[in-house]
Amino acid sequence: RKEVEQDPGPFNVPEGATVAFNCTYSNSASQSFFWYRQDCRKEPKLLMSVYSSGNEDGRFTAQLNRASQYISLLIRDSKLSDSATYLCVVNEGTARQLTFGSGTQLTVLP
Amino acid sequence: EPEVTQTPSHQVTQMGQEVILRCVPISNHLYFYWYRQILGQKVEFLVSFYNNEISEKSEIFDDQFSVERPDGSNFTLKIRSTKLEDSAMYFCASAGLASYNEQFFGPGTRLTVL
Repeated sequence: RKEVEQDPGPFNVPEGATVAFNCTYSNSASQSFFWYRQDCRKEPKLLMSVYSSGNEDGRFTAQLNRASQYISLLIRDSKLSDSATYLCVVNEGTARQLTFGSGTQLTVLP
Repeated sequence: EPEVTQTPSHQVTQMGQEVILRCVPISNHLYFYWYRQILGQKVEFLVSFYNNEISEKSEIFDDQFSVERPDGSNFTLKIRSTKLEDSAMYFCASAGLASYNEQFFGPGTRLTVL
């Protein structure tokens, strides 16, 4: 069974804090990895792809450890607008279908 | 910025009725998908569509479901005889040829089956 597991959350942090989310995936053949964010009752929106070398986009840094089948997302200097559910998402190779984690809810407090 | 659109935003139907959910993918995209999210649960894959045929489908996508690309722009999901447990948010997504792994989602159709 293909599974993507995430920290259950919720995470409540003050503005300006650094917060990290973790995710593990069970299918070692997985090839592509993503973080999406989802606001309440809205569609998932692609935040960033995750590459083996790690990648950074402004305040967001994603890391992938293929040996441990582990993905992380770090948010620095968190803003009120970062409040959302963060979804760890894995593409299962040739199937192209995305497998979603259950998400981690983040609330940034003023 | 191009985006995926979906209609209607909310559909209420009686159990046993047929519904058609409509999507307009991003214009130069070639890969199309339907996902659903039952309230409070994970987003789940239903079906993928490429080159005018289904390329993958999940266990959820049984004989009651069908997809169609009737023209060059629309992509539809039909549920033939709706059940109470079909109540969910249905998301359409599309991806381009160059970056087929990066899927962009529409705003969803909330289906309520009474």
